[in-house]
Amino acid sequence: GAVVSQHPSRVICKSGTSVKIECRSLDFQATTMFWYRQFPKKSLMLMATSNEGSKATYEQGVEKDKFLINHASLTLSTLTVTSAHPEDSSFYICSARDRSGAGNQPQHFGDGTRLSIL
Amino acid sequence: EDQVTQSPEALRLQEGESSSLNCSYTVSGLRGLFWYRQDPGKGPEFLFTLYSAGEEKEKERLKATLTKKESFLHITAPKPEDSATYLCAVRTGGFKTIFGAGTRLFVKA
Repeated sequence: GAVVSQHPSRVICKSGTSVKIECRSLDFQATTMFWYRQFPKKSLMLMATSNEGSKATYEQGVEKDKFLINHASLTLSTLTVTSAHPEDSSFYICSARDRSGAGNQPQHFGDGTRLSIL
Repeated sequence: EDQVTQSPEALRLQEGESSSLNCSYTVSGLRGLFWYRQDPGKGPEFLFTLYSAGEEKEKERLKATLTKKESFLHITAPKPEDSATYLCAVRTGGFKTIFGAGTRLFVKA
């Protein structure tokens, strides 16, 4: 089945540090990848849609200069949390959709990154 | 406005006690309805896709059904390992994917 790998799974760092999270589709190509944030016992909050070879589309209220997204290839998207502060601590999850299939394919998710800013 | 609502928010079952989770939707066009399972500290795991009313999909103790207004995830004779949060998502005619808030299922031995 479709596999999405997300790395690292956990990050603990000091306030002011920038943190990069990688999301890779391992056995399919993904024109579009998605970045979500999830708070405890809450559902997924879409932050941005990452499009291969073009700028990401950010949801309302998400600071694009704070959350930098790069989608340089059909199998890799990265999210960089710049100058992270304690309020950025959260569970970040990426997903990818197989480029084949008329846009009706399900998203496949990575296992998430637990980010803790001290 | 496109909307996806899941109920109940939480469901507690005894092992072997069958039940159903509901996902109701109001969207402009339906390109697909997806069910996911999410364990604590993990990303959602894809379970099923349903594309049209009347369609059904099964996997082990789980069976998903779809009507024009809602989808049900039926759990037959659940086991403690079925405990998880179950998420429903809808892909709209405008190619937007909307997630419900999820149902937290607890199955007690």
